Amino acid sequence: DAKTTQPPSMDCAEGRAANLPCNHSTISGNEYVYWYRQIHSQGPQYIIHGLKNNETNEMASLIITEDRKSSTLILPHATLRDTAVYYCIVRVAGNTPLVFGKGTRLSVIA
Amino acid sequence: DTEVTQTPKHLVMGMTNKKSLKCEQHMGHRAMYWYKQKAKKPPELMFVYSYEKLSINESVPSRFSPECPNSSLLNLHLHALQPEDSALYLCASSQENRGSNYGYTFGSGTRLTVV
Repeated sequence: DAKTTQPPSMDCAEGRAANLPCNHSTISGNEYVYWYRQIHSQGPQYIIHGLKNNETNEMASLIITEDRKSSTLILPHATLRDTAVYYCIVRVAGNTPLVFGKGTRLSVIA
Repeated sequence: DTEVTQTPKHLVMGMTNKKSLKCEQHMGHRAMYWYKQKAKKPPELMFVYSYEKLSINESVPSRFSPECPNSSLLNLHLHALQPEDSALYLCASSQENRGSNYGYTFGSGTRLTVV
């Protein structure tokens, strides 16, 4: 059973913020939220992860709701190179392997 | 070195052939993984190696045989494959530590075509 629900596709104008939602209503207390992306014909790339606090790195920001049932990945200034499939994954850190759901296909449009 | 290197990048093989896919990393990661990805589908986990021992086999047919000769290398031996086994085969590695939060590093994959 899928642990996360993501919209199948989204569009974003170049230079604007891309906000990718993820629902994980059955998340357990020790499960983290991970985001990966896969650009066409490449391997998946780690973006960011978090437990309950908001996180930011050089690639993106992760906003997790207080009840932890949903999260949003934010790409602050999307470029054409951000066009990819984005996967939201919940898992216990260091314990269970990464299992991918269907993801969101983000298209950044010039 | 922060990469996972997979060779070959492309492979075409007949159903009676024997071939091997190779994966190499020099990041000191002690967990390595094989995933299979069909077109327009998410990657599917096949095998997990932890400290050079097979820890997870996701009911993969025996025509796929993994091998971990040392902590830096992971092979996938292929024999008597079917056309439906054509896919992108991805290798990944991660630090293996309970409680570790490090992400996986993936290679670019081997695109396999079985004819």
